[in-house]
Amino acid sequence: DAGVTQSPTHLIKTRGQHVTLRCSPISGHKSVSWYQQVLGQGPQFIFQYYEKEERGRGNFPDRFSARQFPNYSSELNVNALLLGDSALYLCASSGTTSEGGHSTDTQYFGPGTRLTVL
Amino acid sequence: GESVGLHLPTLSVQEGDNSIINCAYSNSASDYFIWYKQESGKGPQFIIDIRSNMDKRQGQRVTVLLNKTVKHLSLQIAATQPGDSAVYFCAEMTGFQKLVFGTGTRLLVSP
Repeated sequence: DAGVTQSPTHLIKTRGQHVTLRCSPISGHKSVSWYQQVLGQGPQFIFQYYEKEERGRGNFPDRFSARQFPNYSSELNVNALLLGDSALYLCASSGTTSEGGHSTDTQYFGPGTRLTVL
Repeated sequence: GESVGLHLPTLSVQEGDNSIINCAYSNSASDYFIWYKQESGKGPQFIIDIRSNMDKRQGQRVTVLLNKTVKHLSLQIAATQPGDSAVYFCAEMTGFQKLVFGTGTRLLVSP
């Protein structure tokens, strides 16, 4: 079974540019969350979407935006990139799996997109 | 549950030993806790979870203990293997599905 997938794997941008990161959740999952992980730290929450609606937002500037599509995939957009935006961007999906195992709260992470801003 | 800087606490063990990784969480209202394993260059991998109405949960070679009185979580790994080497994060969830991650502990397993 496919897990959470993210694209691209790596990305290099320059300051001031914008970037779009993509995420496909586990089949059957309706909730997608985005996290930023700076080197040496734990992931920091950016957004959560459920059924195409924003359910939560972390302490990030308005340069960060996201959306969720009818097929539950999601995009994270970052405008006017700064050097400090260099990080691993993680997408996580949640929802009851077909095996009916874990709680619907359990978040499963994708491999991430490594963004480098020069 | 705030993460800190570049110098992660490190636990070094021998293969076959039992490992215990500790975590202090910040919000007494948190009702769901997860342990993740993160290998270099990869996303966090779910290990085990526990709800606040429990104090212990066991999985395959792993046990999570929750002490709500002192807001403390621990992850016990039995018969630690070299493949267990990674950074381990605890995470807490309050209300809607926002995870707050702990500091992270680097586990080094030597053969």
